[in-house]
Amino acid sequence: KNEVEQSPQNLTAQEGEFITINCSYSVGISALHWLQQHPGGGIVSLFMLSSGKKKHGRLIATINIQEKHSSLHITASHPRDSAVYICAVKTLSGNQFYFGTGTSLTVIP
Amino acid sequence: GAVVSQHPSRVICKSGTSVKIECRSLDFQATTMFWYRQFPKQSLMLMATSNEGSKATYEQGVEKDKFLINHASLTLSTLTVTSAHPEDSSFYICSARRSALTEAFFGQGTRLTVV
Repeated sequence: KNEVEQSPQNLTAQEGEFITINCSYSVGISALHWLQQHPGGGIVSLFMLSSGKKKHGRLIATINIQEKHSSLHITASHPRDSAVYICAVKTLSGNQFYFGTGTSLTVIP
Repeated sequence: GAVVSQHPSRVICKSGTSVKIECRSLDFQATTMFWYRQFPKQSLMLMATSNEGSKATYEQGVEKDKFLINHASLTLSTLTVTSAHPEDSSFYICSARRSALTEAFFGQGTRLTVV
């Protein structure tokens, strides 16, 4: 079993739809990251969370530490949001990172 | 956010040669840098963690003699793939952070093809 599980693995949405990507983890963490990987491979860090909720533009990330679950929401989705979204957790011990397998999002005009 | 620059973005090399990939933190001092590998359609896998001035800590299954990591300064870490083979073809990504309490920023990655 992977330490980090993401769902769904693939997601196709119409432009304008509200999108939710889920991440569950099984280890104690000090922080959770949401990453966006573009088709060329480059990675952008979207959020780092240790509690609560963060918002940046059309992106919202939430985390429930007790339930070991985080969600990434995209409001008013756009084709340029098409990418792979990866959930990553940093363990309590410090240096260890575990990554989810990613959610491939395609937003159709 | 902070900027991490990785170079080169793409490299093709012949089997048996060595390739060096550089990871630079452009606007902050990175006490820790991480190196990851990603095979097609798979998730990122941490290869090693390097702290400035110390030997890198390699993850289980990663050959330290094959993947040489040097973190000689607070702004530069290098990964050298020695005696590269076609199975080393992959996407290599670095990330860097100021401290254990701060966010890690990612480089743009290097796509290595060994022919």
